[in-house]
Amino acid sequence: GQQLNQSPQSMFIQEGEDVSMNCTSSSIFNTWLWYKQDPGEGPVLLIALYKAGELTSNGRLTAQFGITRKDSFLNISASIPSDVGIYFCAGRLQGAQKLVFGQGTRLTINP
Amino acid sequence: EAQVTQNPRYLITVTGKKLTVTCSQNMNHEYMSWYRQDPGLGLRQIYYSMNVEVTDKGDVPEGYKVSRKEKRNFPLILESPSPNQTSLYFCASTLRGGLSEAFFGQGTRLTVV
Repeated sequence: GQQLNQSPQSMFIQEGEDVSMNCTSSSIFNTWLWYKQDPGEGPVLLIALYKAGELTSNGRLTAQFGITRKDSFLNISASIPSDVGIYFCAGRLQGAQKLVFGQGTRLTINP
Repeated sequence: EAQVTQNPRYLITVTGKKLTVTCSQNMNHEYMSWYRQDPGLGLRQIYYSMNVEVTDKGDVPEGYKVSRKEKRNFPLILESPSPNQTSLYFCASTLRGGLSEAFFGQGTRLTVV
């Protein structure tokens, strides 16, 4: 069953605002991945995190692997219309190979 | 170009009529998997395969079958589809036995009436 809690489930923001979303779990993960899904497309990898405390940026996106290994966050700075979509976190449990996905955060941007 | 290809992209079928959704990857990845995406539930794993002839159940395997006769192909089979299998399906492949990032296909939207 679902082992990741992703929040918020949806966000409605103005263009130019910063965005923050996170995933938490009661279990320990050894990998965190953040994906974006555009309408009608498959998820595309944004950022991969492999070490506790790791902070990684990809353009306007920044993600961190929580120090407890039970959470991760994704920030988007100065949002633009093409940031619209569904963002998923995914984690790999310690000792496991399969990915577990969060429920997704649907981002809507008002121009 | 490295990619995961699913077919068809859209399918409408009737209850009980067997169907197959194909998935092919050109990256020589070992690990492949199938997910279904439903509103509010995110992506749930149906089946996965760690290599040729090695498959195992994911979180929601009921009503589905898979096979892995070749490394590049991982078809999803619905022997007797039912309306509760109406969903958006994604195939994904991963390089190192599941220990690295997953790459997704473009999705197959299935409607069972």
